[in-house]
Amino acid sequence: ETGVTQTPRHLVMGMTNKKSLKCEQHLGHNAMYWYKQSAKKPLELMFVYNFKEQTENNSVPSRFSPECPNSSHLFLHLHTLQPEDSALYLCASSQDFSGHRSYEQYFGPGTRLTVT
Amino acid sequence: AQTVTQSQPEMSVQEAETVTLSCTYDTSENNYYLFWYKQPPSRQMILVIRQEAYKQQNATENRFSVNFQKAAKSFSLKISDSQLGDTAMYFCAFMTRPYSGGGADGLTFGKGTHLIIQP
Repeated sequence: ETGVTQTPRHLVMGMTNKKSLKCEQHLGHNAMYWYKQSAKKPLELMFVYNFKEQTENNSVPSRFSPECPNSSHLFLHLHTLQPEDSALYLCASSQDFSGHRSYEQYFGPGTRLTVT
Repeated sequence: AQTVTQSQPEMSVQEAETVTLSCTYDTSENNYYLFWYKQPPSRQMILVIRQEAYKQQNATENRFSVNFQKAAKSFSLKISDSQLGDTAMYFCAFMTRPYSGGGADGLTFGKGTHLIIQP
């Protein structure tokens, strides 16, 4: 275990549903990330949060909405998704030391999302 | 934009053999980090080894070592005395902006190499 947990581990949803993915880190980190892992494609960075502030949105469609209420929790709210959004969604965290970002990211086990 | 290329989609070796996974990258940055991550079938990604671009000495972690060629933008991973537990997807990754202050600091990944260790 890396100290980063994700729930649920598997999710099947219809295109009209609204669901949320949850990530929690128990490492005392202050930066959190969402990545998308699709078959035969590199992992894609989606969002970056540093000290609860979003610092990066990597041109992600608005049907994905992140929320970071505190440094330990990160959510990804999903609505009106498309079948091509089916993928493994990975959360990660890292520590930012007063301007010098830690280079090691710790990953959760992922949520396997299937959009029908 | 940075890109990471892993040219070997799959490799298979016998247990106890040495195997080298290749990775090349493209960047105009001079200060960056490189990583190898391992993703076993259970899917939890874990860091195997990292290399700071300003360090000339190649990083080593037990049976894992890298061959970092900055001029050639090459970053290969060597696994010595391979074990069955080394079977996994291996991802090469790149990170710029080691200092905060805006801009992306997420990782840029290659497509991965599926390494199979045969008994």
